[in-house]
Amino acid sequence: GAVVSQHPSWVICKSGTSVKIECRSLDFQATTMFWYRQFPKQSLMLMATSNEGSKATYEQGVEKDKFLINHASLTLSTLTVTSAHPEDSSFYICSARDPYTGTEGGPLHFGNGTRLTVT
Amino acid sequence: KQEVTQIPAALSVPEGENLVLNCSFTDSAIYNLQWFRQDPGKGLTSLLLIQSSQREQTSGRLNASLDKSSGRSTLYIAASQPGDSATYLCAVTDNNDMRFGAGTRLTVKP
Repeated sequence: GAVVSQHPSWVICKSGTSVKIECRSLDFQATTMFWYRQFPKQSLMLMATSNEGSKATYEQGVEKDKFLINHASLTLSTLTVTSAHPEDSSFYICSARDPYTGTEGGPLHFGNGTRLTVT
Repeated sequence: KQEVTQIPAALSVPEGENLVLNCSFTDSAIYNLQWFRQDPGKGLTSLLLIQSSQREQTSGRLNASLDKSSGRSTLYIAASQPGDSATYLCAVTDNNDMRFGAGTRLTVKP
């Protein structure tokens, strides 16, 4: 079945540095990918919608200059947390919609998440 | 704006018991509803997807129902097992956007 690969699965970085997280669709082309963050014991919150070849759409309250999203190909979207701070420590998950099995009504396939710890 | 609520927030049952998890949403104009399982520190595993035109879906010991007009879905787990212990999330898709509930944390005791 469709697989979404997310890398790295965990990362520890120092405050002020930048971290890049990759999300790849392995056996399908995804024109749209989604980025979520999840704080402990809370649900997933949509951060932004990544559109191949165009600018990402950010949810209200998400700083686009801090969370840079690049969707340069149909199989890869990246999320870069710039100038990370301890409050950015969270679990980040991406998902992608398989256009052949999912129109607007199809399922999303999720990556396994990236746990970011900023010290 | 779509809001998704899950009740209860946590549930603990003895092994073998049947149980029901509830999900409600405020805007009935949805494309589909999906139930996920999340183990601690892990990503999401899709369990069942119900299209807006469907009433229920079944997979093994799991049965999910959807009443779109009332904005409700239930996930029924039969003969629960300790391996079912996880957080269960429901999510609705509308206008190509997905909104999650806060989840129900299920513990099945041996």
